[in-house]
Amino acid sequence: GAGVSQSPRYKVTKRGQDVALRCDPISGHVSLYWYRQALGQGPEFLTYFNYEAQQDKSGLPNDRFSAERPEGSISTLTIQRTEQRDSAMYRCASSLAATYEQYFGPGTRLTVT
Amino acid sequence: DAKTTQPPSMDCAEGRAANLPCNHSTISGNEYVYWYRQIHSQGPQYIIHGLKNNETNEMASLIITEDRKSSTLILPHATLRDTAVYYCIVRALFNKFYFGSGTKLNVKP
Repeated sequence: GAGVSQSPRYKVTKRGQDVALRCDPISGHVSLYWYRQALGQGPEFLTYFNYEAQQDKSGLPNDRFSAERPEGSISTLTIQRTEQRDSAMYRCASSLAATYEQYFGPGTRLTVT
Repeated sequence: DAKTTQPPSMDCAEGRAANLPCNHSTISGNEYVYWYRQIHSQGPQYIIHGLKNNETNEMASLIITEDRKSSTLILPHATLRDTAVYYCIVRALFNKFYFGSGTKLNVKP
């Protein structure tokens, strides 16, 4: 079946603009995770959901970052008033449940100019 | 979650076994050891995980020491396509993953 998909794959935005990144998990996967990855580093946890409930948002850097998964499927990561330091690859992953292995999407490359 | 220590890079000859070490001396009794790898700019790929016993699947073997303070991921016959960054992660169920910097494995012909 289809894997995790993310859109857009590339996003260039001007500083101060809001952006919304979308993640479409594998069908039937309960858990959904957001990560941010800087060049040359491992993925950094941002937040995760079980169904529609946000279980852990301790990795969100500040209150400009938010995420939702209103119907327990597709999730959106929103960054308000973007800054250049927000430039990174944003990756989404899903798993059958929280105890199972995670499957990662291709990521969204965000560039803030 | 316990932090892990991995060498930043390793070389391996094609066709030989690649043994990737990981230290996790502060691991707790309820924490699992997971291995993922990331090839070039793709998303991380799950390899294997275990709690106490050694594990094997079609991709690799995971050897965990009896005191669980370290583990080794073994790729039995490395190929050029196994060149990647390998991440060792310890994690209690329902907790978040901490990836760290991983080991860059270079498989050479």
